[in-house]
Amino acid sequence: GENVEQHPSTLSVQEGDSAVIKCTYSDSASNYFPWYKQELGKRPQLIIDIRSNVGEKKDQRIAVTLNKTAKHFSLHITETQPEDSAVYFCAARGNNAGNMLTFGGGTRLMVKP
Amino acid sequence: GAVVSQHPSRVICKSGTSVKIECRSLDFQATTMFWYRQFPKQSLMLMATSNEGSKATYEQGVEKDKFLINHASLTLSTLTVTSAHPEDSSFYICSARRGGTDTQYFGPGTRLTVL
Repeated sequence: GENVEQHPSTLSVQEGDSAVIKCTYSDSASNYFPWYKQELGKRPQLIIDIRSNVGEKKDQRIAVTLNKTAKHFSLHITETQPEDSAVYFCAARGNNAGNMLTFGGGTRLMVKP
Repeated sequence: GAVVSQHPSRVICKSGTSVKIECRSLDFQATTMFWYRQFPKQSLMLMATSNEGSKATYEQGVEKDKFLINHASLTLSTLTVTSAHPEDSSFYICSARRGGTDTQYFGPGTRLTVL
């Protein structure tokens, strides 16, 4: 089955700086890669996603890049703000009939004002 | 659009009792719903996938007789934790996927505490 590794597990940045979170996956047939943001005690919220036919996608301060050859994808947050502080999860949908997502271990992002 | 609700948000029960958690897609029809378990400061662990009108598919290591899942309609799935024990205490989150799309939308979660 699919295996997703996420790094770093914690990330502390100064407000205004950029943050990068990286994930690798094992199933070369994976074709969908969403990123979720989860604030303490709340539900995961989709912030951006990318499909395997695209190398990069951007939405305002958030961007995701995908390298299918190397089987890794990254989340980039620019001009970070304190409200970006949360746990971020990457996920990959492998070659399965159930459309199941496999999640990375999460990254706790702290943006210091 | 794409709102998913979950009820109850919090439940405390005695050991040996059963607890039912409901997951509803409020403004779309969810052909597939997923149930996850999340331990403190950890990732989301998929427990099972349920498709409307068919039996749920459980992940390895998840006891289907302990965690009963029913997906009777396109907007409702239920998870029943039977004969709950303290080790079942956790945060349970459902998600729903609209047919023909990729995105999973998550419910707000249910915190179960078994005394």
